Amino acid sequence: AQSVAQPEDQVNVAEGNPLTVKCTYSVSGNPYLFWYVQYPNRGLQFLLKYITGDNLVKGSYGFEAEFNKSQTSFHLKKPSALVSDSALYFCAVRGEGGSYIPTFGRGTSLIVHP
Amino acid sequence: ETGVTQTPRHLVMGMTNKKSLKCEQHLGHNAMYWYKQSAKKPLELMFVYSLEERVENNSVPSRFSPECPNSSHLFLHLHTLQPEDSALYLCASSQDGGEADTQYFGPGTRLTVL
Repeated sequence: AQSVAQPEDQVNVAEGNPLTVKCTYSVSGNPYLFWYVQYPNRGLQFLLKYITGDNLVKGSYGFEAEFNKSQTSFHLKKPSALVSDSALYFCAVRGEGGSYIPTFGRGTSLIVHP
Repeated sequence: ETGVTQTPRHLVMGMTNKKSLKCEQHLGHNAMYWYKQSAKKPLELMFVYSLEERVENNSVPSRFSPECPNSSHLFLHLHTLQPEDSALYLCASSQDGGEADTQYFGPGTRLTVL
């Protein structure tokens, strides 16, 4: 079975400060990991993914995520937050060679204050 | 966001009505999904069609009925719904076996059951 945990329901950060949204996972075999963002009244948009290779993955809108196999984590980061980054962020995982259907976390609401 | 379209964007219906949600993907994918997103709850996978195979979440009530006439179109037929079925219904598509199965989402249909 595969699972994802996003331990924080909400993250608050001041504009211009670095942000981190946490994600840990459990999966059989090598993980494929994803981050999605959802703006109000919109569907989820793909941000970035890790399949293999470099542990630091760069994605859209200046976001990046670091894969840490020993800690089974895939935290989303951005060096300098913008008010427009305020949204709901979802982490998802599936196992290599396993079901093609990913498992999503509960989501973390990111609020960036001016 | 034009890769996956959903209609209608908003729907208000009574408990005795019958309506259908439509999803169309223009990405050449071979898998399509229905998700239910309710406030304060995790994203709930309802149905998956992949290569003409159907996978369903056994906890989804029978008042929801999916239909996938071809790989580009997906419907969700609704009948005798309950107020607790009010939610955002999201459609997604992916290429089973490609891109680690990154999912692409439509904008969703906001359903209100009176």
